[in-house]
Amino acid sequence: AQSVTQPDIHITVSEGASLELRCNYSYGATPYLFWYVQSPGQGLQLLLKYFSGDTLVQGIKGFEAEFKRSQSSFNLRKPSVHWSDAAEYFCAVGGRGSTLGRLYFGRGTQLTVWP
Amino acid sequence: NAGVTQTPKFRILKIGQSMTLQCTQDMNHNYMYWYRQDPGMGLKLIYYSVGAGITDKGEVPNGYNVSRSTTEDFPLRLELAAPSQTSVYFCASSPSGLGGEKLFFGSGTQLSVL
Repeated sequence: AQSVTQPDIHITVSEGASLELRCNYSYGATPYLFWYVQSPGQGLQLLLKYFSGDTLVQGIKGFEAEFKRSQSSFNLRKPSVHWSDAAEYFCAVGGRGSTLGRLYFGRGTQLTVWP
Repeated sequence: NAGVTQTPKFRILKIGQSMTLQCTQDMNHNYMYWYRQDPGMGLKLIYYSVGAGITDKGEVPNGYNVSRSTTEDFPLRLELAAPSQTSVYFCASSPSGLGGEKLFFGSGTQLSVL
Protein backbone atom coordinates (compact mmCIF):
# COMPACT_ATOMS: atom_id res chain seq x y z
CA ALA A 1 0.00 0.00 0.00
CA GLN A 2 1.12 3.51 -0.70
CA SER A 3 2.10 5.64 2.25
CA VAL A 4 4.25 8.60 3.17
CA THR A 5 5.85 9.07 6.55
CA GLN A 6 7.05 12.39 7.86
CA PRO A 7 8.46 11.49 11.29
CA ASP A 8 8.83 15.04 12.57
CA ILE A 9 5.59 16.79 13.44
CA HIS A 10 7.24 20.05 14.45
CA ILE A 11 10.73 21.42 13.89
CA THR A 12 12.16 24.66 15.24
CA VAL A 13 15.29 26.24 13.81
CA SER A 14 17.01 29.59 14.13
CA GLU A 15 17.10 31.92 11.18
CA GLY A 16 20.23 31.26 9.15
CA ALA A 17 20.54 27.68 10.33
CA SER A 18 20.38 24.72 7.98
CA LEU A 19 17.25 22.63 7.65
CA GLU A 20 16.44 19.05 6.81
CA LEU A 21 12.90 17.68 6.75
CA ARG A 22 12.57 13.93 6.54
CA CYS A 23 10.27 11.95 4.27
CA ASN A 24 10.03 8.21 3.78
CA TYR A 25 7.65 6.54 1.39
CA SER A 26 6.23 3.16 0.62
CA TYR A 27 5.24 2.55 -2.95
CA GLY A 28 4.98 -0.46 -5.18
CA ALA A 29 6.98 1.00 -8.04
CA THR A 30 9.31 3.88 -8.68
CA PRO A 31 7.27 6.88 -7.70
CA TYR A 32 7.03 10.49 -8.49
CA LEU A 33 7.93 12.48 -5.37
CA PHE A 34 6.91 15.96 -4.34
CA TRP A 35 7.34 18.53 -1.63
CA TYR A 36 4.58 21.07 -1.10
CA VAL A 37 4.55 24.03 1.28
CA GLN A 38 1.49 25.50 2.96
CA SER A 39 1.64 28.97 4.45
CA PRO A 40 -1.03 29.96 6.97
CA GLY A 41 -4.40 30.51 5.31
CA GLN A 42 -3.05 29.46 1.92
CA GLY A 43 -3.33 26.46 -0.30
CA LEU A 44 -0.44 24.15 -1.01
CA GLN A 45 2.34 25.34 -3.31
CA LEU A 46 4.73 23.02 -5.10
CA LEU A 47 8.34 23.39 -3.93
CA LEU A 48 9.94 20.72 -6.07
CA LYS A 49 9.40 17.31 -7.61
CA TYR A 50 11.39 14.29 -8.64
CA PHE A 51 10.52 12.30 -11.74
CA SER A 52 13.74 10.68 -12.90
CA GLY A 53 17.40 11.37 -13.57
CA ASP A 54 19.54 13.34 -11.17
CA THR A 55 18.55 12.32 -7.66
CA LEU A 56 19.25 15.79 -6.28
CA VAL A 57 16.53 18.17 -7.37
CA GLN A 58 16.40 21.90 -6.94
CA GLY A 59 13.23 23.77 -6.16
CA ILE A 60 11.96 27.23 -5.52
CA LYS A 61 13.00 29.42 -2.59
CA GLY A 62 16.41 27.76 -2.33
CA PHE A 63 15.13 24.32 -1.36
CA GLU A 64 16.52 21.05 -2.61
CA ALA A 65 15.68 17.40 -2.05
CA GLU A 66 17.54 14.17 -2.58
CA PHE A 67 15.92 10.92 -3.68
CA LYS A 68 17.56 7.87 -2.12
CA ARG A 69 16.04 4.73 -3.53
CA SER A 70 17.84 2.39 -1.14
CA GLN A 71 16.38 4.25 1.84
CA SER A 72 13.00 5.05 0.26
CA SER A 73 13.59 8.62 1.28
CA PHE A 74 13.14 12.06 -0.21
CA ASN A 75 14.43 14.53 2.37
CA LEU A 76 14.06 18.26 1.91
CA ARG A 77 16.97 20.57 2.70
CA LYS A 78 17.84 24.23 2.79
CA PRO A 79 21.30 25.57 3.69
CA SER A 80 20.10 28.75 5.41
CA VAL A 81 16.55 29.22 6.63
CA HIS A 82 14.75 32.54 6.40
CA TRP A 83 11.97 33.66 8.72
CA SER A 84 9.57 33.56 5.75
CA ASP A 85 10.14 29.79 5.47
CA ALA A 86 7.97 29.23 8.53
CA ALA A 87 5.12 27.08 7.20
CA GLU A 88 3.91 23.51 7.01
CA TYR A 89 5.66 21.17 4.61
CA PHE A 90 4.12 18.13 3.00
CA CYS A 91 5.83 15.28 1.24
CA ALA A 92 3.73 13.43 -1.34
CA VAL A 93 4.07 10.46 -3.66
CA GLY A 94 2.32 9.82 -6.95
CA GLY A 95 2.21 6.87 -9.27
CA ARG A 96 4.02 6.65 -12.57
CA GLY A 97 1.33 4.43 -13.94
CA SER A 98 -1.48 6.56 -12.68
CA THR A 99 -3.46 8.75 -14.98
CA LEU A 100 -5.44 10.28 -12.18
CA GLY A 101 -2.94 12.69 -10.68
CA ARG A 102 -3.72 11.24 -7.31
CA LEU A 103 -1.17 11.96 -4.65
CA TYR A 104 -0.63 10.38 -1.25
CA PHE A 105 0.42 12.92 1.34
CA GLY A 106 2.36 12.68 4.56
CA ARG A 107 0.91 14.29 7.67
CA GLY A 108 3.13 17.34 7.36
CA THR A 109 5.97 18.95 9.31
CA GLN A 110 5.37 22.33 10.90
CA LEU A 111 8.46 24.54 10.69
CA THR A 112 8.99 27.36 13.18
CA VAL A 113 11.83 29.82 12.59
CA TRP A 114 13.30 31.77 15.51
CA PRO A 115 14.72 35.20 14.73
CA ASN B 1 -4.39 35.01 -12.32
CA ALA B 2 -7.25 33.63 -10.21
CA GLY B 3 -6.27 29.94 -10.46
CA VAL B 4 -8.42 27.81 -8.14
CA THR B 5 -10.96 29.72 -6.08
CA GLN B 6 -12.79 28.22 -3.12
CA THR B 7 -15.71 29.68 -1.20
CA PRO B 8 -16.46 30.13 1.62
CA LYS B 9 -13.18 30.38 3.54
CA PHE B 10 -14.81 29.55 6.87
CA ARG B 11 -18.09 27.98 7.88
CA ILE B 12 -19.71 26.65 11.03
CA LEU B 13 -22.50 24.11 10.64
CA LYS B 14 -24.81 22.45 13.08
CA ILE B 15 -25.08 18.67 13.04
CA GLY B 16 -27.50 17.58 10.32
CA GLN B 17 -27.28 20.75 8.27
CA SER B 18 -26.22 20.67 4.65
CA MET B 19 -23.99 22.91 2.61
CA THR B 20 -22.05 23.15 -0.64
CA LEU B 21 -18.41 24.05 -0.86
CA GLN B 22 -17.74 25.85 -4.10
CA CYS B 23 -14.66 25.40 -6.28
CA THR B 24 -13.92 27.16 -9.55
CA GLN B 25 -10.81 27.12 -11.72
CA ASP B 26 -10.05 29.33 -14.70
CA MET B 27 -7.16 27.32 -16.17
CA ASN B 28 -9.31 25.02 -18.31
CA HIS B 29 -8.02 22.00 -16.40
CA ASN B 30 -9.80 18.73 -16.99
CA TYR B 31 -8.89 17.13 -13.67
CA MET B 32 -10.22 18.41 -10.38
CA TYR B 33 -9.98 17.03 -6.86
CA TRP B 34 -11.36 17.50 -3.38
CA TYR B 35 -9.11 16.77 -0.41
CA ARG B 36 -9.69 17.06 3.29
CA GLN B 37 -6.96 17.83 5.79
CA ASP B 38 -7.47 16.77 9.39
CA PRO B 39 -5.21 18.11 12.14
CA GLY B 40 -1.89 16.29 12.21
CA MET B 41 -2.81 14.29 9.13
CA GLY B 42 -1.98 14.48 5.49
CA LEU B 43 -4.49 15.30 2.83
CA LYS B 44 -7.00 12.60 1.97
CA LEU B 45 -8.73 12.45 -1.40
CA ILE B 46 -12.53 12.67 -1.18
CA TYR B 47 -13.64 12.78 -4.81
CA TYR B 48 -12.11 13.57 -8.13
CA SER B 49 -13.26 14.37 -11.65
CA VAL B 50 -11.57 13.70 -14.97
CA GLY B 51 -13.80 16.03 -16.92
CA ALA B 52 -17.26 17.51 -17.12
CA GLY B 53 -19.86 14.90 -16.30
CA ILE B 54 -17.36 12.37 -14.91
CA THR B 55 -16.66 11.95 -11.21
CA ASP B 56 -15.40 9.16 -9.00
CA LYS B 57 -14.71 8.35 -5.37
CA GLY B 58 -11.40 8.82 -3.66
CA GLU B 59 -10.21 7.42 -0.34
CA VAL B 60 -12.81 9.01 1.98
CA PRO B 61 -16.05 9.70 0.03
CA ASN B 62 -18.64 8.80 2.66
CA GLY B 63 -20.91 11.69 3.60
CA TYR B 64 -20.09 13.73 0.49
CA ASN B 65 -21.36 14.18 -3.03
CA VAL B 66 -19.99 15.99 -6.04
CA SER B 67 -21.05 17.06 -9.49
CA ARG B 68 -19.18 18.41 -12.48
CA SER B 69 -21.49 20.07 -14.96
CA THR B 70 -18.83 22.38 -16.39
CA THR B 71 -15.05 22.25 -16.77
CA GLU B 72 -14.69 25.20 -14.42
CA ASP B 73 -16.79 24.16 -11.42
CA PHE B 74 -16.54 21.24 -9.03
CA PRO B 75 -18.78 21.74 -5.99
CA LEU B 76 -18.66 19.44 -2.95
CA ARG B 77 -21.93 18.76 -1.15
CA LEU B 78 -22.36 17.75 2.49
CA GLU B 79 -25.90 16.50 2.99
CA LEU B 80 -26.06 15.72 6.72
CA ALA B 81 -23.13 17.35 8.44
CA ALA B 82 -21.46 15.35 11.20
CA PRO B 83 -18.71 16.34 13.66
CA SER B 84 -16.36 13.92 11.89
CA GLN B 85 -16.52 16.24 8.87
CA THR B 86 -14.86 19.05 10.77
CA SER B 87 -11.77 19.62 8.65
CA VAL B 88 -10.06 21.88 6.17
CA TYR B 89 -11.14 21.20 2.61
CA PHE B 90 -8.96 21.83 -0.39
CA CYS B 91 -9.93 21.84 -4.02
CA ALA B 92 -7.22 21.25 -6.60
CA SER B 93 -6.89 20.94 -10.34
CA SER B 94 -4.43 19.67 -12.92
CA PRO B 95 -4.31 19.77 -16.72
CA SER B 96 -4.15 16.10 -17.64
CA GLY B 97 -4.13 14.03 -14.46
CA LEU B 98 -0.84 12.30 -15.16
CA GLY B 99 0.70 10.74 -12.10
CA GLY B 100 3.55 13.19 -11.81
CA GLU B 101 1.70 16.33 -12.63
CA LYS B 102 1.66 19.41 -10.47
CA LEU B 103 -1.57 20.13 -8.62
CA PHE B 104 -2.90 23.66 -8.30
CA PHE B 105 -4.59 24.20 -4.98
CA GLY B 106 -7.20 26.60 -3.73
CA SER B 107 -6.71 28.36 -0.39
CA GLY B 108 -9.05 26.03 1.47
CA THR B 109 -12.33 26.06 3.39
CA GLN B 110 -12.23 25.58 7.15
CA LEU B 111 -15.40 23.80 8.23
CA SER B 112 -16.52 23.17 11.79
CA VAL B 113 -19.53 20.98 12.57
CA LEU B 114 -20.88 21.50 16.07
